[in-house]
Amino acid sequence: DVKVTQSSRYLVKRTGEKVFLECVQDMDHENMFWYRQDPGLGLRLIYFSYDVKMKEKGDIPEGYSVSREKKERFSLILESASTNQTSMYLCASSVDPGLTTEAFFGQGTRLTVV
Amino acid sequence: QKEVEQNSGPLSVPEGAIASLNCTYSDRGSQSFFWYRQYSGKSPELIMSIYSNGDKEDGRFTAQLNKASQYVSLLIRDSQPSDSATYLCAVNHSGGGADGLTFGKGTHLIIQP
Repeated sequence: DVKVTQSSRYLVKRTGEKVFLECVQDMDHENMFWYRQDPGLGLRLIYFSYDVKMKEKGDIPEGYSVSREKKERFSLILESASTNQTSMYLCASSVDPGLTTEAFFGQGTRLTVV
Repeated sequence: QKEVEQNSGPLSVPEGAIASLNCTYSDRGSQSFFWYRQYSGKSPELIMSIYSNGDKEDGRFTAQLNKASQYVSLLIRDSQPSDSATYLCAVNHSGGGADGLTFGKGTHLIIQP
């Protein structure tokens, strides 16, 4: 069973804080992704990584950075949290670089920035 | 611009009937198509994938793909209250590469007992 685990289920942070969201997968997947999900806007890709130390911008990378130092771990960093970054954050991983196979999602982190 | 369009609903279907969910996409070169189910407060889970034109059946679920019309659908037969969820259509675009799936905003399905 593929497991994608996100470090926190709920987080509350203050405006201006640096925030780290952690994601770990246990199936040796090459590809990992960070999405955010907002009502009325759906799932939007923030960043993805297809290999250790490699990263690519998704559709909405502004205000975020990522780190992938080990294959199993992909971190999303909010450099200076703002209230418009309040959202559900979903990490996913996939074995297939062409993404012809499914993406497996973590349980999500609901982040509130106050 | 990669776009995936779904009717947001809610789509209300009586128990035991067929639920029909539709999705259109903008990138004509798209190669892979997925339907995810998402219960409230939970993360998406894959229920169907389809890669070639035609129908693909898995239990009570049938995915249909028409690349010429850039259209993909999901049929749920014998709908159950447990099928009530938001259904996300997702598309992988032309050229392959690990560029992530583009998701529609989802259709909220309600199965009425």
